[in-house]
Order: sequence, then structure tokens, then C-alpha cells
Amino acid sequence: EVQLVESGGGLVQPGRSLRLSCAASGFTFDDYAMHWVRQAPGKGLEWVSGISWDSAEKAYADSVKGRFTISRDSATNSLHLQMNSLRPEDTALYYCTKGRLVVVVTAFDHWGQGTPVTVSS
Amino acid sequence: EIVLTQSPVTLSLSPGERATLSCRASQSVYTYLAWYQQKPGQAPRLLIYDASNRATGIPARFSGSGSGTDFTLTISSLESEDFAVYYCQQRRNWPLTFGGGTKVEI
Repeated sequence: EVQLVESGGGLVQPGRSLRLSCAASGFTFDDYAMHWVRQAPGKGLEWVSGISWDSAEKAYADSVKGRFTISRDSATNSLHLQMNSLRPEDTALYYCTKGRLVVVVTAFDHWGQGTPVTVSS
Repeated sequence: EIVLTQSPVTLSLSPGERATLSCRASQSVYTYLAWYQQKPGQAPRLLIYDASNRATGIPARFSGSGSGTDFTLTISSLESEDFAVYYCQQRRNWPLTFGGGTKVEI
């Protein structure tokens, strides 16, 4: 059974940093792209960032480009999102998602339960 | 950026009725379109990928169709557990984008 368990969310002041992690299990981690998708309170879904199976390709939404960095660790089957210079508009539930394919441009066939991030002074 | 417009925003139906949800893209996404279902307090679930392919474990009452810029998700006969919000998502271009969602309510 595929499991994606996020951690690292919390309350942080504007301008500070936070690192999200996602522990993956139940599938061959190296065979799939991975992504972060967020959902602001009461709003729709927004894709944030994605990374290919081999980390060769990384992509970011314009709203986070230059501030967020995605990475993955095949030794620990984990996905990370380093979030710097956080803004109030980054407040959301952050989902770790598994790509359906090895390429980064893919649908998301499994989702974690999300980790909440609140950016507020 | 490819903009996905979903309609209607809200669909009020009864169990047993047929639901037809629309997703229109601002430019062609070929068949690179997916549909998700999200219930309150839960993560989204993949229903349909590449316009018409049901994901693993998805009941046959869910079907997807379309290509280019116009897509449809059909639920042939609504069951109580189908009342939820539905999102479309394209993988034709960066950035990957979602539609604004359609709420199917009783």
C-alpha cells in the first residue's frame, strides 16, 4: 500500500524558513516523479513544485520560484521542500503527491494527508 | 500558463441522477487532463487520467471524455458518497494547473 506521510509544517513568521518532509513507502520511490501541491484554507488546489525520478528535472510555480527548493533522497525514500522567505499567502495545507509517471509532467495518483503551514506574525 | 475553467461551480442533484461536469482549457492540452475528487477533510483522489482512463479502484460509473480544450467528467448515477468537489488538472505544459473546482451537492 502506498503511503505518503508529511511532516514539518507549523506556524512561522513572515520572512522565515520552514522545511517540509514526506516519507514515502509502498512503492519503488526511484521509479516516479514526486510533487508538492498546496491548498489554502477554503480554496482550490495549487501545484507548487515537482521533481523527476532522478532529480534531473525540477519545476516550480511562479509564485514560489526562487524561494522554495524541492529535493528527494532515494536512500531514505523521502521528499523535501525547503521554503524560504515565507509570505502570508503561502499559508496552506501542503500535500506530498506521487506522480503517476516517471516524468515530471504527470497526474498525481497518491496523496498524503497534508501538513499545515501558517505564515503569520 | 494554461487556465482551466470548470463549470458549473455548483451542481445540485439527487442520488441516482446523472452528473455532467465540464472543464475547458485556455489552449489545447491534447488528452493530458486528469480529474480528482475531494471530500471535506480529505486529500484529493485521482479518478481519471489522460482524459478517459479510470484510475485504479475507481467505479465504472465515473467516466471522462474530451480532447483539445473541452473535457467532461460524467457520473452516470450519483451515489451518496459522490457528493464532493471535483477538480480537473492539466499536464500539457508547465506550470501544472488545476481548475477552480465543481461542487456536487445534494
